[in-house]
Amino acid sequence: DQQVKQNSPSLSVQEGRISILNCDYTNSMFDYFLWYKKYPAEGPTFLISISSIKDKNEDGRFTVFLNKSAKHLSLHIVPSQPGDSAVYFCAASGWAGNMLTFGGGTRLMVKP
Amino acid sequence: EAQVTQNPRYLITVTGKKLTVTCSQNMNHEYMSWYRQDPGLGLRQIYYSMNVEVTDKGDVPEGYKVSRKEKRNFPLILESPSPNQTSLYFCASSPGQGTNSPLHFGNGTRLTVT
Repeated sequence: DQQVKQNSPSLSVQEGRISILNCDYTNSMFDYFLWYKKYPAEGPTFLISISSIKDKNEDGRFTVFLNKSAKHLSLHIVPSQPGDSAVYFCAASGWAGNMLTFGGGTRLMVKP
Repeated sequence: EAQVTQNPRYLITVTGKKLTVTCSQNMNHEYMSWYRQDPGLGLRQIYYSMNVEVTDKGDVPEGYKVSRKEKRNFPLILESPSPNQTSLYFCASSPGQGTNSPLHFGNGTRLTVT
């Protein structure tokens, strides 16, 4: 059973609007959460992360929110740009930091 | 340029023919790992290594082997490939305490086993 789930395989938004990507997890031992972005024919690249002791982390246009009681995190992109069109993976790690569990990914399309 | 290099980028082989996918990083990272990406399943961890001569199984290690004789290299070995190992493979490395530091990924190896 997948411990990290991204229930929306795809999302389409208009340029300039907000993109919200969601991720749910089941393992309460996860301690650290990350978002990676992937363009075709390239490896994933790190975008933003959040520790379980926080509920929000912001970096420019990207903000990650963590709701531990609901075991839910989300990535907000404001404003969305066409260059943000990619597949986004959320990932979770335990305190030991030896293994990373990924969700299935959400394909974001930002239309000009 | 700091990077993780995988070779080859594309590989087509037949069932049972041993193959090796190489991975090298030039960032002096201690942690390295291998993932496979399949539709709807995201990336699943095959093996990881916290340091030289230290390797351990990830979520889907069956049918794979790895070695870590040097810090920079972490090859993935398929002794007897089968069609269910057809996938997109990524090698990654990390500067800090494993996966709690952002991973640097290679550009992937697309493997087809017929």
